[in-house]
Amino acid sequence: RKEVEQDPGPFNVPEGATVAFNCTYSNSASQSFFWYRQDCRKEPKLLMSVYSSGNEDGRFTAQLNRASQYISLLIRDSKLSDSATYLCVVNIGNYGQNFVFGPGTRLSVLP
Amino acid sequence: DVKVTQSSRYLVKRTGEKVFLECVQDMDHENMFWYRQDPGLGLRLIYFSYDVKMKEKGDIPEGYSVSREKKERFSLILESASTNQTSMYLCASSSVLVDRPNTEAFFGQGTRLTVV
Repeated sequence: RKEVEQDPGPFNVPEGATVAFNCTYSNSASQSFFWYRQDCRKEPKLLMSVYSSGNEDGRFTAQLNRASQYISLLIRDSKLSDSATYLCVVNIGNYGQNFVFGPGTRLSVLP
Repeated sequence: DVKVTQSSRYLVKRTGEKVFLECVQDMDHENMFWYRQDPGLGLRLIYFSYDVKMKEKGDIPEGYSVSREKKERFSLILESASTNQTSMYLCASSSVLVDRPNTEAFFGQGTRLTVV
């Protein structure tokens, strides 16, 4: 079983749609959680950290359920510029040294 | 702004050559990482370093070595390049903040290496 699993995708949605990504992780010792965005042929960039109480940043909402070992990302009112691959990332190390990446879910927002 | 800089965006090398990939970060981060990214396989950790002269093997260290002589610089070495090492290589760094456990990794722009 992979340590971090995500929806296989790709997701093709029209502009303005709401889209949800799911992620599960296997290591209960995971300390911190993130969503990264990666554009084609570019490096991953942090979209948002995920906190236990859930957090929101504009159109993006992240949720964490430690009991179920589940993380989600909700994108409301999708824009063409949201088209990218979204990576779920967990950090298992106590000192920020063990990032484990999910395989990513590709999103295409269509006009 | 944190900056992680990799020495080359694109590199073409011949089989058997010794290849050096350099990475420099300017934020005094303790941790530095080398990943490779291949279609369908995601990001896989090759090596990481949590301090000068310290290194730990990641998931796929075979065929690679690393060097960290200075805190800001982490080098990946392919001792004898092979065609199956053709890939996108990504360097990253992160800090160690006991009072802020959600410290993220910052990536360089990547080096696309082709071994012919």
